[in-house]
Amino acid sequence: AQSVTQLGSHVSVSEGALVLLRCNYSSSVPPYLFWYVQYPNQGLQLLLKYTSAATLVKGINGFEAEFKKSETSFHLTKPSAHMSDAAEYFCAVSRSGGGADGLTFGKGTHLIIQP
Amino acid sequence: DAGVIQSPRHEVTEMGQEVTLRCKPISGHDYLFWYRQTMMRGLELLIYFNNNVPIDDSGMPEDRFSAKMPNASFSTLKIQPSEPRDSAVYFCASTSLGPAGANVLTFGAGSRLTVL
Repeated sequence: AQSVTQLGSHVSVSEGALVLLRCNYSSSVPPYLFWYVQYPNQGLQLLLKYTSAATLVKGINGFEAEFKKSETSFHLTKPSAHMSDAAEYFCAVSRSGGGADGLTFGKGTHLIIQP
Repeated sequence: DAGVIQSPRHEVTEMGQEVTLRCKPISGHDYLFWYRQTMMRGLELLIYFNNNVPIDDSGMPEDRFSAKMPNASFSTLKIQPSEPRDSAVYFCASTSLGPAGANVLTFGAGSRLTVL
């Protein structure tokens, strides 16, 4: 079964500093990978997705992620943190490597931005 | 498009009562998912439908939980009888299979259930 592991339940960075949220995946088939963001009392919103095209994926709000097969990783980065980036971030993998049978989510990483 | 619409946004009920959560997916989406979010277990897939037919309900925790999709624009998740451990945020999401095959789920705002 496909799974993802997010390292660090909480990450704190200063405003303007680099944001790095870590995600490692386990998949028996070429994975489709996603990052979602959840703001307080809201649903999940797609940040970006990897679908086996370019390994460097750019998303909304200045975020990007790089797929590294050798490291089974799909870390999320942003060069300069904004106060508005404070939220919960979820890495996810397609349950069967493709198709539309849902996603398996990581436990989430709470991003805290220090002024 | 109004997105995925869920109701109620908040529900407080007493143990033993029946709870019904509702979802209207995005028009044209033929897949619908119900997820549950708790602090302890994170986001769990409960059940999903394709063209109104339940495909995988292996995530439904027990027989007290049931879900239906009578038509393409409406689904319900019912808990009867409810228990305090059912307290969670329940999300509905929908999608349609794109050309790349990647299922990008669009989530509703969630229904926060508190069972006293």
